[in-house]
Amino acid sequence: QQQVKQSPQSLIVQKGGIPIINCAYENTAFDYFPWYQQFPGKGPALLIAIRPDVSEKKEGRFTISFNKSAKQFSLHIMDSQPGDSATYFCAASKNYGGSQGNLIFGKGTKLSVKP
Amino acid sequence: EAEVAQSPRYKITEKSQAVAFWCDPISGHATLYWYRQILGQGPELLVQFQDESVVDDSQLPKDRFSAERLKGVDSTLKIQPAELGDSAMYLCASSTDRANEQYFGPGTRLTVT
Repeated sequence: QQQVKQSPQSLIVQKGGIPIINCAYENTAFDYFPWYQQFPGKGPALLIAIRPDVSEKKEGRFTISFNKSAKQFSLHIMDSQPGDSATYFCAASKNYGGSQGNLIFGKGTKLSVKP
Repeated sequence: EAEVAQSPRYKITEKSQAVAFWCDPISGHATLYWYRQILGQGPELLVQFQDESVVDDSQLPKDRFSAERLKGVDSTLKIQPAELGDSAMYLCASSTDRANEQYFGPGTRLTVT
């Protein structure tokens, strides 16, 4: 059972475009939703994260939109650049007695930003 | 900036051989995770440590995989014997004991021939 479903699998946009990557989750106990960026041969790097008590969070060119009732969240990249070309993973975790549990990852979206 | 260190970065081994990976988390991070990432997939948790104690190893194939964090700092993940299906990236991550943010190391790319 896949707990975090991510789409699309791949995405191509022109420089300056706004790619949008979507994720849906099933477990309503999840309370932490990060996005990671991964370049080939590297480990995932934390980009931005959100909790269910807010509907949107922005950090630089990256924005997370969160819809608790629909159990969905998405990543928007403003003014995308060729250097943003990477694989993006959404994830989710839940709190256990004050400590955060392990991350459940989506399958990833390979983004290519054309010059 | 503090980083999670992993070694080796690459490992090629023959099936049925033993292999070990090492991870040194960010200083002061009590929680350490080992993930496995198959090419084209997201990372999946193998084992989670809180200090030197295992918190979750439900997804660790215990017949061939073992992990330890004896002094609650660095950690070793071992596979014995390695199988062809173990070819993957093995990622280590760490976090403070009550924080949400997990920081990943560069990973060890394992190829089993």
